[in-house]
This record gives sequence, C-alpha cells and structure tokens, in this order.
Amino acid sequence: DQQVKQNSPSLSVQEGRISILNCDYTNSMFDYFLWYKKYPAEGPTFLISISSIKDKNEDGRFTVFLNKSAKHLSLHIVPSQPGDSAVYFCAASASAAGNKLTFGGGTRVLVKP
Amino acid sequence: EPEVTQTPSHQVTQMGQEVILRCVPISNHLYFYWYRQILGQKVEFLVSFYNNEISEKSEIFDDQFSVERPDGSNFTLKIRSTKLEDSAMYFCASRKILAVQETQYFGPGTRLLVL
Repeated sequence: DQQVKQNSPSLSVQEGRISILNCDYTNSMFDYFLWYKKYPAEGPTFLISISSIKDKNEDGRFTVFLNKSAKHLSLHIVPSQPGDSAVYFCAASASAAGNKLTFGGGTRVLVKP
Repeated sequence: EPEVTQTPSHQVTQMGQEVILRCVPISNHLYFYWYRQILGQKVEFLVSFYNNEISEKSEIFDDQFSVERPDGSNFTLKIRSTKLEDSAMYFCASRKILAVQETQYFGPGTRLLVL
C-alpha cells in the first residue's frame, strides 16, 4: 500500500536549523493530513494537522504545507531542537472513507547539538 | 491531559494461543481504532469501532480478530489463535466525534511477540 509515501527514511540536521520532512500521497479522496512524532517504545504523538481546504497551518515551531495539485505535503520544524529527534509519520484520511488513517513509512530525524 | 492507555505493554505468547489486548480510550471519545506496526513496516489500520459495532475493518482483520467494548471504559482486541506473523506493536487510538476531520490520539502500544 503506497498511498502515502515518505521518500526520505532519515534526516540529520544541526540544532537551531530547519528540518523539512516531505510526504507524497496518491489518493485524491484524502482530505485531512496529520503529522505524528514517535519515540521508540511509545505510541505516535499528534503534532499538527491540515485540512485539504488550507495550504498552510502553523503551530509554534511546526508548520505544515499542503500542495494539493502536487499531492505533496511537508512539515517544517524551526528551529530544530535535540528533543525533536524521533521518527515522524505523515498520515492521511478521507472523510468519505471512515476517517481511518493511512500512514507513510516514517522519517527518522536526528538533531545534532 | 487525558490520554489513551493500553495494557499490557508487552505480551509473549505461544502460537495458537488466544491473547486479549486492552485499551482505555480518552473518556469523552466515541470512535475507537486498532492499528498495528510490524517491525520495520508501516503502521496499518486494523479496525474502527463506533456505537458498539465495527465501522470498518481492513483485510488483515480476519475471523481470528475481534473487538469489544465490554464496559464503559475498556476497548479490547482479541486474537483467537495467534500466528507468528501477528507479532507486532498494536496501537489503540480514539477520537472525539465523527467530525469531518478530527484527530486520532494514540496509546503507547502493546508489543506482542508470538513464539
């Protein structure tokens, strides 16, 4: 199932710099997109979401951008902090399909001090 | 802050045995989900549950799986006869209402190992 894809399995960034995580999707029915952060041995923690009627949503250091025509979204973390080191999952849902989440494969972010 | 809880955190079982994984969703949430993540793979949807019945289930959720909300707080996933390939992290999630878009909140997971 490749409906949601995160092409970069890992990302290394210096503390204080910007982290940019990318996600692509193929299903045109998706209308809600979420980013989750996951530490080892823990469940996914909700970070930020965006509806398909918007192209940007910001919450503190986290901003999600949505490009519907390209079926692409990205998460920007500015400035990156060592505590941001985790695996980040992109997920998508379709209101017409029961809102179950379809996840990408995750991007492991390492923020170096 | 309210959170989804899951027990046990780890479960080791023999192939063919029954296991029950337990979840306590956030108290005012009405929709409940189970997902799983096999090591090295994506998080996959298993089943959604609303108003005491299954709303949707994936191909993975075959006759060996069942869900139940036996009381006002617990939400359980039962695997009747476990197989080696059932080894995975199992995550419970809940959401408040069936709004057009509403965030799902996840529990910490149960790591199931079938030997």
